[in-house]
Amino acid sequence: SYVLTQPPSVSVAPGKTARITCGGNNIGSKSVHWYQQKPGQAPVLVIYYDSDRPSGIPERFSGSNSGNTATLTISRVEAGDEADYYCQVWDSSSDHPGVFGTGTKVTVL
Amino acid sequence: QVQLVESGGGLVKPGGSLRLSCAASGFTFSDYYMSWIRQAPGKGLEWVSYISSSGSTIYYADSVKGRFTISRDNAKNSLYLQMNSLRAEDTAVYYCARVDTAMDPYFDYWGQGTLVTVSS
Repeated sequence: SYVLTQPPSVSVAPGKTARITCGGNNIGSKSVHWYQQKPGQAPVLVIYYDSDRPSGIPERFSGSNSGNTATLTISRVEAGDEADYYCQVWDSSSDHPGVFGTGTKVTVL
Repeated sequence: QVQLVESGGGLVKPGGSLRLSCAASGFTFSDYYMSWIRQAPGKGLEWVSYISSSGSTIYYADSVKGRFTISRDNAKNSLYLQMNSLRAEDTAVYYCARVDTAMDPYFDYWGQGTLVTVSS
């Protein structure tokens, strides 16, 4: 089955840029979606189709996807961005197609 | 506004059964595919199951196949997950989520979750 690998943690100072990677075999050929989850809360969609933002999500959140790596970029990081982030794809070649990444804890220093 | 409210969680013994429900409102439920996603305590997200708008297409994670059954009642705007032969490793918060688009699906709205604890 398809595997998505994320770094367990990323630390970033306020105002700087955080980059969270999501690795998968030829992931550039798939659409990647990203979710933010704060403690005790349900996940929230922050990026879909590699780089589209739902309404209400700040422009500081952006995404890219190429080759074997997709990346979620958070610019001008704020304290409120501290959360767990998960990538997700749909592996349509599989009979168990829903796949989430391992998750990355973003810490704002 | 879109609302998804899960219910039915609780404490159950290994080998037991539980039925989760998800009440949907604020959108035309019968137009959307739906999914269940779970999160074990302190762990990441795990996709569990998916059902098409009519109920004709269903997928399961290998970890629950043969034990869990997803279903929906479009007349009642409700999604269900029947969980049988429960194991300790099924302990998790279970979220229902709306699926946006049938191609390369993603989950655009989530409920707050219901906790299932499997323990003797």
